[in-house]
Amino acid sequence: AQSVTQLGSHVSVSEGALVLLRCNYSSSVPPYLFWYVQYPNQGLQLLLKYTSAATLVKGINGFEAEFKKSETSFHLTKPSAHMSDAAEYFCAVTPSSGGSYIPTFGRGTSLIVHP
Amino acid sequence: GAGVSQSPSNKVTEKGKDVELRCDPISGHTALYWYRQSLGQGLEFLIYFQGNSAPDKSGLPSDRFSAERTGGSVSTLTIQRTQQEDSAVYLCASSLSGTYVGTGELFFGEGSRLTVL
Repeated sequence: AQSVTQLGSHVSVSEGALVLLRCNYSSSVPPYLFWYVQYPNQGLQLLLKYTSAATLVKGINGFEAEFKKSETSFHLTKPSAHMSDAAEYFCAVTPSSGGSYIPTFGRGTSLIVHP
Repeated sequence: GAGVSQSPSNKVTEKGKDVELRCDPISGHTALYWYRQSLGQGLEFLIYFQGNSAPDKSGLPSDRFSAERTGGSVSTLTIQRTQQEDSAVYLCASSLSGTYVGTGELFFGEGSRLTVL
C-alpha cells in the first residue's frame, strides 16, 4: 500500500526566507506525486506534479519540488516566501502501475509566513 | 460555473438527523471522488465514482454513509443518523478519466462543512 508522510504539521518562516515543506513516500515502485495547496475556506488546487519525467518539477507561484528516489522524498521548496503563500499544503501519491489510482493524501503542513 | 460546485457550504444538524451533501463536478469529468477532512487528519478517502458506478467505496466509515451519482454528473453523499464524530469538511473532487487516471490532477470543490451538535 502507498502512503505519504509530511514532516511537521506547521512550518513558520519569515517573509523572504526559504520555504521547505517535507514529503516522504512509501511505495514498492516509484509512484506519481503531487503537491496541492489549500487557502482558507477554499478547495485544494494543484501546485505541481511528478509523473516520471523530469525529477525537478516547477509549479505555480514559484514553487518547485525534486523527486529523489534514493531518499523516497518529494520536498516542496520556494526560494523566497511571500505573505500570500500562507496556506495548508498537501502531498499526495498515486501508484504509477497497477493498483488503485485514487490519490492518498498526507496530513498536511500549515505554512505560516511572518512579516 | 466552470469549477466543482458543492452544497450546502455549511450545515449544522442535530445528532441522529440525516444529511445530504451535493456535488456538481466539472462538465465532462467522468471520475468523481469524495474525501473527508478533519482537523489535523488530512484528507480521508471515502468513495470514488467512474461514471455512475462506484468501483471503490472502501473508505466509507460505516453503513450510515452512502453515495450515489446519476447521469454521470451530480453526486449526493448521504449520512444517516448523524453522530458528532461525523463533523468535518466533506470535499468533492473530479477529474478526467481514461489515460489521465493516476497522472491527472483532481479539481476540488470548496467543501461542505458539517457540524453535528
